[in-house]
Amino acid sequence: GAVVSQHPSRVICKSGTSVKIECRSLDFQATTMFWYRQFPKKSLMLMATSNEGSKATYEQGVEKDKFLINHASLTLSTLTVTSAHPEDSSFYICSAPHSVYREKLFFGSGTQLSVL
Amino acid sequence: GENVEQHPSTLSVQEGDSAVIKCTYSDSASNYFPWYKQELGKRPQLIIDIRSNVGEKKDQRIAVTLNKTAKHFSLHITETQPEDSAVYFCASFGNQFYFGTGTSLTVIP
Repeated sequence: GAVVSQHPSRVICKSGTSVKIECRSLDFQATTMFWYRQFPKKSLMLMATSNEGSKATYEQGVEKDKFLINHASLTLSTLTVTSAHPEDSSFYICSAPHSVYREKLFFGSGTQLSVL
Repeated sequence: GENVEQHPSTLSVQEGDSAVIKCTYSDSASNYFPWYKQELGKRPQLIIDIRSNVGEKKDQRIAVTLNKTAKHFSLHITETQPEDSAVYFCASFGNQFYFGTGTSLTVIP
């Protein structure tokens, strides 16, 4: 069945470095990918929507130069946290809607980012 | 834009009791309302959903009710068990997804 694979599941980095998170759609084509940030015991905060072959759409208050999103193919979207700082530490998760039944969302397994 | 409110933000119940989580939405175009369960550090799992042409749906211990006129929908979990402890969040979908703010449910053994 359709699955979204997200890597890495956990990353610890030093302040000032950049971290790339990948989400791949398996067995289906994801023309759209949603990227969320999530704080403990809270719901998903939409950061941006990536569309294959075009620029991502960022939510208000999300710095596009800080959170670089690339959706270069129908199966891969990446989020790069540039010059990470401790306040960027969070759980990041992606999701992709079914190509036909758009209300069906497939979630990645999440990435726990810890910036020291 | 759409606004999905979810209450309560935290909920503790004794094992065996029922738990109810409520959401309200504002966009009349919303026609699909899923509920997700998320355990710590894991991906959200769809546990039940309801479409706007249905008032109630049940799956074993879980049920969802929808009042389209009032724009309310609720998740009901009966005979709660410790493994029901998780974060639950609702969502509405018309043209795009909007998520509720989440409810941290703790079932006390």
